[in-house]
Amino acid sequence: GENVEQHPSTLSVQEGDSAVIKCTYSDSASNYFPWYKQELGKRPQLIIDIRSNVGEKKDQRIAVTLNKTAKHFSLHITETQPEDSAVYFCAAGDDFGNEKLTFGTGTRLTIIP
Amino acid sequence: DADVTQTPRNRITKTGKRIMLECSQTKGHDRMYWYRQDPGLGLRLIYYSFDVKDINKGEISDGYSVSRQAQAKFSLSLESAIPNQTALYFCATSEPDRGGYNEQFFGPGTRLTVL
Repeated sequence: GENVEQHPSTLSVQEGDSAVIKCTYSDSASNYFPWYKQELGKRPQLIIDIRSNVGEKKDQRIAVTLNKTAKHFSLHITETQPEDSAVYFCAAGDDFGNEKLTFGTGTRLTIIP
Repeated sequence: DADVTQTPRNRITKTGKRIMLECSQTKGHDRMYWYRQDPGLGLRLIYYSFDVKDINKGEISDGYSVSRQAQAKFSLSLESAIPNQTALYFCATSEPDRGGYNEQFFGPGTRLTVL
């Protein structure tokens, strides 16, 4: 089955700086890569996703890049703000009869004011 | 607003007891999932269902069972709870579009403690 590894497990950055979280996956059939944000005591919520026919996707201050050859994808947050403090999860899944997601172990991002 | 709800929100029980966690949704989605979240381990899939007649095991189904009573309801049972099932449990729903995958919407979670 799919195995998703996520690094780092914790990350602290100064407010206004950029944060990068990286994930690798094992199953070459995976073609969908979402990122979820979980604020303290809240439920996970989707913040951005990318499909394998796209190399990069941006939404305001967040972006995701995908390298299918190397089987890795990354989340980039620019101009970080205190409200970006949360746990972030990457995930991988495929649409070909195995339509479930495998999640990474999470990254706790802390923005230092 | 259409939502995913879970009951109970918190539960403390003893080893050996039978426990049922319930999930309901008003989103009209066919697909429903049960995950457990443990510190440092992320979200792990227990069971999933693509419609009322479809039940599939996830990566950690041992010790759990599920029932899909209707499109809107998906219950998770622990037949004989043990302490290492202490965790935060999330239900989620999704509905694929023509592009395939789509967003999963999570419930608020149930914090289960097994003493």
